[in-house]
Amino acid sequence: DIQMTQSPASLSVSVGDRVTITCQASQDISNYLNWFQQKPGKAPKLLIYDASTLETGVPSRFSGRGSGTDFTLTISSLQPEDIATYYCEQYDHLPWTFGQGTKLEIK
Amino acid sequence: QVHLVESGGGLVKPGGSLRLSCAASGFTFSDHYMSWIRQAPGKGLEWLSDITGSGTSISYAESVKGRFTMSRDNAKNSLHLQMNSLRVEDTAVYFCARASIAVSGMFDSWGQGTLVTVSS
Repeated sequence: DIQMTQSPASLSVSVGDRVTITCQASQDISNYLNWFQQKPGKAPKLLIYDASTLETGVPSRFSGRGSGTDFTLTISSLQPEDIATYYCEQYDHLPWTFGQGTKLEIK
Repeated sequence: QVHLVESGGGLVKPGGSLRLSCAASGFTFSDHYMSWIRQAPGKGLEWLSDITGSGTSISYAESVKGRFTMSRDNAKNSLHLQMNSLRVEDTAVYFCARASIAVSGMFDSWGQGTLVTVSS
């Protein structure tokens, strides 16, 4: 199975901060990577697919980069509604696997 | 508007069985791969299984292979997960998720989830 390693596990942030989360795959997954946002008690929401394509309706402050094994999710200017846990997921090889999550907390 | 609603969760004893359902609406159900994904309390996401639009091909995670069976009824726009030989570690919120038409694994819509608790 492809292991997805996210860092950091948690991050204390302030409104307006530029936030970057990294995700590393245990093998080359090309650009077959999604980013999801999950708020407490809610289902995950797709933010970015194919590593860098913004899902319809997602604010442009979110961006994704990377290919191969190293990927990043960036929030250019954190808003209060962005406080959540973020997951990466690879869909290059079954079984589809997720990172362990990065929880954003207000400083 | 895509709408997915899971049902069938509850409390079951170890070794027991449960059947989850997912009612879909707002899109052409038979066009899409569908998946089940779970989340243990306070933990991350785990993909369990997916099924092609026609229902002819199904894949499972090793953790549930041989115990869980996924199926779909395109006439009723419904998805099912038959869970047998349940274990305490199967306790989780179970989500159904729609994948894109062409690419299984790209989950663009999710249900709200149904909680399964396995405990004696």
